[in-house]
Amino acid sequence: AQTVTQSQPEMSVQEAETVTLSCTYDTSENNYYLFWYKQPPSRQMILVIRQEAYKQQNATENRFSVNFQKAAKSFSLKISDSQLGDTAMYFCAFMDNNAGNMLTFGGGTRLMVKP
Amino acid sequence: NAGVTQTPKFRVLKTGQSMTLLCAQDMNHEYMYWYRQDPGMGLRLIHYSVGEGTTAKGEVPDGYNVSRLKKQNFLLGLESAAPSQTSVYFCASSGQGALYSNQPQHFGDGTRLSIL
Repeated sequence: AQTVTQSQPEMSVQEAETVTLSCTYDTSENNYYLFWYKQPPSRQMILVIRQEAYKQQNATENRFSVNFQKAAKSFSLKISDSQLGDTAMYFCAFMDNNAGNMLTFGGGTRLMVKP
Repeated sequence: NAGVTQTPKFRVLKTGQSMTLLCAQDMNHEYMYWYRQDPGMGLRLIHYSVGEGTTAKGEVPDGYNVSRLKKQNFLLGLESAAPSQTSVYFCASSGQGALYSNQPQHFGDGTRLSIL
């Protein structure tokens, strides 16, 4: 079974600054996918960014980018130019290629962006 | 396009009562899931289904039952509610080829369930 660990329960950052959220995972699979989800107070689960394990290039989506280190099983999220609307819970998640498309989530990091 | 709809959105139960949460999706997805989210924690898989008429246990299945009689619906039942089942419950669905799409799973808006 896979496990996903987020070691930072809470973080804060000043508006316009950069913050990095950490995630590590454990798996014996070679082909898998990693995701970062954002959950604002509305409880919606919003997909922020995805990374395919077979791709060496780190994924980027506007102000969001990842640092994927496959050998170290590390998958951190960098948020640049932080905005007040980035305040939310952030979850790292793992999905392998097996049937069912099941996601395994980390415990989350609560991010507060301060004005 | 409604996506994934959960009913009800909020409910308060007394210990020992039973209830059913309904999840409906209109995307013709094969896979459906029930998660629970406790305060300050991530989502944990309760049960899931890989097709109509099939169900399987997830990480935390005890105290819950599920049914998938129709492809579009996935029901989560609590036969005898306990305070430890106070949580926010999320339903999600996923289809073939989801790994290659923008959304690996589509989530409902959650049901907040309190058991006194």
